[in-house]
Amino acid sequence: EAGVAQSPRYKIIEKRQSVAFWCNPISGHATLYWYQQILGQGPKLLIQFQNNGVVDDSQLPKDRFSAERLKGVDSTLKIQPAKLEDSAVYLCASSLDRSGGEKLFFGSGTQLSVL
Amino acid sequence: AQSVTQLDSQVPVFEEAPVELRCNYSSSVSVYLFWYVQYPNQGLQLLLKYLSGSTLVKGINGFEAEFNKSQTSFHLRKPSVHISDTAEYFCAVSDRSSGYALNFGKGTSLLVTP
Repeated sequence: EAGVAQSPRYKIIEKRQSVAFWCNPISGHATLYWYQQILGQGPKLLIQFQNNGVVDDSQLPKDRFSAERLKGVDSTLKIQPAKLEDSAVYLCASSLDRSGGEKLFFGSGTQLSVL
Repeated sequence: AQSVTQLDSQVPVFEEAPVELRCNYSSSVSVYLFWYVQYPNQGLQLLLKYLSGSTLVKGINGFEAEFNKSQTSFHLRKPSVHISDTAEYFCAVSDRSSGYALNFGKGTSLLVTP
C-alpha cells in the first residue's frame, strides 16, 4: 500500500517569498490533516479536511496561510508571504475518517527554511 | 479544550534497561490517547493507542502504556530498550471537541547508549 506522499522534501526561500507544498493522501482516506512541526516541538494542527470540506482551521494563520483540497483527494498548503518563524517541517497526514481513534498515516514532511 | 504534557524533554538510558516516558493530559470529555514515534529522518509512526476497554495497551516493538483516568496519565514503558529505540516519542490526545484531530505533546527524546 502506498503511503502519504509529500513534495518537495526540502525548500529554502527568503522571507516575504511564497511557497507551496503538495500532499497526496492514501487512496480512500477521507480525512486529511496539515501539521506544522517547529524544531524541538510536537506537531501542531493547522487544518483538517473531511473530503473537500474544512473541518477545523482555527490554528491556521489565515493572513498568510491557505490550503485547499479540490476533489477531496490531493491537497496543497501555501504560505504567502513567508516569515522567518514559518521555518518548520510541514507534515501531511490522512486517515480513513474522523470517527475517533483512527490511525493517522503521516508523510515524510516538507522541511521549510525561511532565510 | 484538551492539552498534553510530556514531563521529560530528554531521557537518557542504557541499553537493556527499562524506561518510562511520562505523559499527562487534560480534557473535559472522553479521550483517545496515542503514542507516536519519530525515528531520525523518518515520518511519525503509531506505536499504540487507547480507545476503550483494558487500561493496559500493548504496542509494537515491545512498548506498552497504561491509561490512568484518575491521574489523567498515559505513560509509555518498555522493560528492556535497544539502541534502535533511540527516537523522538510523542504523546497525543484526541476527542470530539477537536473533531478527533490529534493534539500532540512536545515530545520526549529517548537516547539509548551501550
